[in-house]
Amino acid sequence: GDSVTQMEGPVTLSEEAFLTINCTYTATGYPSLFWYVQYPGEGLQLLLKATKADDKGSNKGFEATYRKETTSFHLEKGSVQVSDSAVYFCALSGNYGGSQGNLIFGKGTKLSVKP
Amino acid sequence: NAGVTQTPKFQVLKTGQSMTLQCAQDMNHEYMSWYRQDPGMGLRLIHYSVGAGITDQGEVPNGYNVSRSTTEDFPLRLLSAAPSQTSVYFCASSYSRSGNQPQHFGDGTRLSIL
Repeated sequence: GDSVTQMEGPVTLSEEAFLTINCTYTATGYPSLFWYVQYPGEGLQLLLKATKADDKGSNKGFEATYRKETTSFHLEKGSVQVSDSAVYFCALSGNYGGSQGNLIFGKGTKLSVKP
Repeated sequence: NAGVTQTPKFQVLKTGQSMTLQCAQDMNHEYMSWYRQDPGMGLRLIHYSVGAGITDQGEVPNGYNVSRSTTEDFPLRLLSAAPSQTSVYFCASSYSRSGNQPQHFGDGTRLSIL
């Protein structure tokens, strides 16, 4: 079945450091890919998405490119801030069939940014 | 806008008790779903609904019931609580079932079963 694998944390960085969180997926067909962020005590918020190969999603300085050839959707940010400390989830959603619309999540990566 | 509202935020139950977790959305979304979040497991789909009167099982449905009598509400029922159901539960909704639609999440219900 479909699955998402993302790098395990926790990840600790200093402010202004470069961030990469790796995410790879296994899916039938061409899923949509998402990054969600969860701040402490809150629900998940959509950070960015990409719906087809080579699409780049971006938001708040974060970027991720849908790479079909490597089945990857790595999250990057050039300069992290303390306020970026959160748990980041990579997820996919099938675009057809019985699993259409249902999100499959990676296990999450906790990011801590130190001043 | 309220978005997706979950109640209660916290609940402690004894083994064998039943309860209903409430979820309501005010965005006229067709698709609603319930996930549970466990440490090191990410989020896993329990049940989902593509519209009023239509529900289906997700990855981990055992021990849970759902119904969708209105577009706005999608309650999750624990029939006989077990310690393995200790978790954080999230309700989510999206405009349609289309795979490219982002889902909007509530703030969660933290449930402890003793």
